Amino acid sequence: GNSVTQMEGPVTLSEEAFLTINCTYTATGYPSLFWYVQYPGEGLQLLLKATKADDKGSNKGFEATYRKETTSFHLEKGSVQVSDSAVYFCALSRLNRDDKIIFGKGTRLHILP
Amino acid sequence: ETGVTQSPTHLIKTRGQQVTLRCSSQSGHNTVSWYQQALGQGPQFIFQYYREEENGRGNFPPRFSGLQFPNYSSELNVNALELDDSALYLCASSEATGTRGETQYFGPGTRLLVL
Repeated sequence: GNSVTQMEGPVTLSEEAFLTINCTYTATGYPSLFWYVQYPGEGLQLLLKATKADDKGSNKGFEATYRKETTSFHLEKGSVQVSDSAVYFCALSRLNRDDKIIFGKGTRLHILP
Repeated sequence: ETGVTQSPTHLIKTRGQQVTLRCSSQSGHNTVSWYQQALGQGPQFIFQYYREEENGRGNFPPRFSGLQFPNYSSELNVNALELDDSALYLCASSEATGTRGETQYFGPGTRLLVL
């Protein structure tokens, strides 16, 4: 079946450090891939997405590239800020009309000033 | 354009009781999906409604049921509450056309505590 595996946290970095959160997936067909972010006490916000192989999603300085050959969608940011502290979820969906989103377990990120 | 809204924000119930959670979808969206997020876990799909009909269901027992109304708002009902039902319940809306779905946008969630 379809599934998402992401690196376990928590991840703790200093402000302005480089961030990578690894995500790999297993899926039939050609899913769309997403990163969602959840700030403390809030719901999920879509951070970025990519709908086909080699697409790069980007938003707020975050980037992720859809790599079909390695079935990966790693999240990166060149210089993190304290305000980036949150839980990040990698997810996939085939975006069929009746399809659901399958989430990874989430990675908690702490950024120290 | 208003986003997805959910009510109530927090709720405390006791075992065996019933609860109804509500969701208003984003303007123009005809599909609503419900997810359960246990503490420290990723969201798990409960079910989806498309144009007032159930359109897919995850691995949840029948005591989890739902409705979608003509204005595309939705309710999630849980009967005979159990302690393990304590979680954040998330509603997401999207616009589906034909066989193609679109990106889902989430509400802030309802946090349910069952004592």
